[in-house]
Amino acid sequence: DAKTTQPPSMDCAEGRAANLPCNHSTISGNEYVYWYRQIHSQGPQYIIHGLKNNETNEMASLIITEDRKSSTLILPHATLRDTAVYYCIVRVGSNSGYALNFGKGTSLLVTP
Amino acid sequence: NAGVTQTPKFQVLKTGQSMTLQCAQDMNHEYMSWYRQDPGMGLRLIHYSVGAGITDQGEVPNGYNVSRSTTEDFPLRLLSAAPSQTSVYFCACEGAGAGELFFGEGSRLTVL
Repeated sequence: DAKTTQPPSMDCAEGRAANLPCNHSTISGNEYVYWYRQIHSQGPQYIIHGLKNNETNEMASLIITEDRKSSTLILPHATLRDTAVYYCIVRVGSNSGYALNFGKGTSLLVTP
Repeated sequence: NAGVTQTPKFQVLKTGQSMTLQCAQDMNHEYMSWYRQDPGMGLRLIHYSVGAGITDQGEVPNGYNVSRSTTEDFPLRLLSAAPSQTSVYFCACEGAGAGELFFGEGSRLTVL
């Protein structure tokens, strides 16, 4: 699976949009981009994933560049409860036996 | 619907003792996996299973055994615990075609 690069930490003011970048310049054509987050040592929580097109769900939006070499996770109105470590992962599909390579992620701190 | 249940949540062992971390899921998902997370690091895959009767090694399998006799259960066995196995262990499951892993709340193991 392709490796990803994320900033180690970011800050965001409560109520503002949090934009978390991820670089995956070696991504292959059949690899998806996944985002998970982990709040205070709890089990990681799935946020969103995509292949080519931008995706949106009730939690976040995922913007993937046209060349698929980078992506951005957007939390439109960050709250204090969004303080967590966010992991960007690329993986070939599902149930393929490929592990999720979590890396160290981005520690997002949402401040009042 | 409990999702993924891990027991015990906390355990202290002495070097050389054996124990089993239990993982049960009620989502009827075929794919299950075990990860460990050490302080300041991302999750690393220990073992995984793509269905009952099928298991395979992940990134850090040494010192651990698994079995998958049913779809619901995926226990992780430590045969002779070592201080290097002090960690937080997470179990996860994934449904076919979904690409979304559901994690348990973790089991915190300390080996003295």
